[in-house]
Amino acid sequence: DGGITQSPKYLFRKEGQNVTLSCEQNLNHDAMYWYRQDPGQGLRLIYYSQIVNDFQKGDIAEGYSVSREKKESFPLTVTSAQKNPTAFYLCATTTGGANVLTFGAGSRLTVL
Amino acid sequence: AQSVTQLGSHVSVSEGALVLLRCNYSSSVPPYLFWYVQYPNQGLQLLLKYTTGATLVKGINGFEAEFKKSETSFHLTKPSAHMSDAAEYFCAVSGRIGGSYIPTFGRGTSLIVHP
Repeated sequence: DGGITQSPKYLFRKEGQNVTLSCEQNLNHDAMYWYRQDPGQGLRLIYYSQIVNDFQKGDIAEGYSVSREKKESFPLTVTSAQKNPTAFYLCATTTGGANVLTFGAGSRLTVL
Repeated sequence: AQSVTQLGSHVSVSEGALVLLRCNYSSSVPPYLFWYVQYPNQGLQLLLKYTTGATLVKGINGFEAEFKKSETSFHLTKPSAHMSDAAEYFCAVSGRIGGSYIPTFGRGTSLIVHP
């Protein structure tokens, strides 16, 4: 079955540690997105990538970094510079244009 | 620039009652509009979308939405609520910004269904 795999589903980390969230897709979609979800704030765009080896900052990119070395993979690193990293992180893909987003199941990060 | 406003962070209805979730958008370009649903600790799933053509759009699970350009609205309705409809609902707009379509989401509305 085609889809998006996010891992880990739950992650606990201490303050000051960098963490990397994985997003892998086998849908052959060109565009990939990372969103952060906090209660009552909806989804906010962190980074997006339309093609391999290219990505752009979204609305809340500070404290995050990404790479897009392969079409299938778009990992997100939450760095120690992110002041409030505890959140639910969602990866999504689309074939491009204004098409429908396909979402992964999400990763919940808790910083202790 | 584009934005989405969802009126009401929580909507409570009785089972069998009409569901109405409100969404207003702003966009400097012709928008594509979407409604997604999210169940606890899961990703989002598409309910329905408007791109062009007929302004009344039917989606899954009996939901529908009407695009009203003059009111910049895309409200979601369902004639009769079911307990399984309890979830978080997100309205989204996607307009062409530069060379890309960037989806923007509203803050979400939590639908509560009482027996």
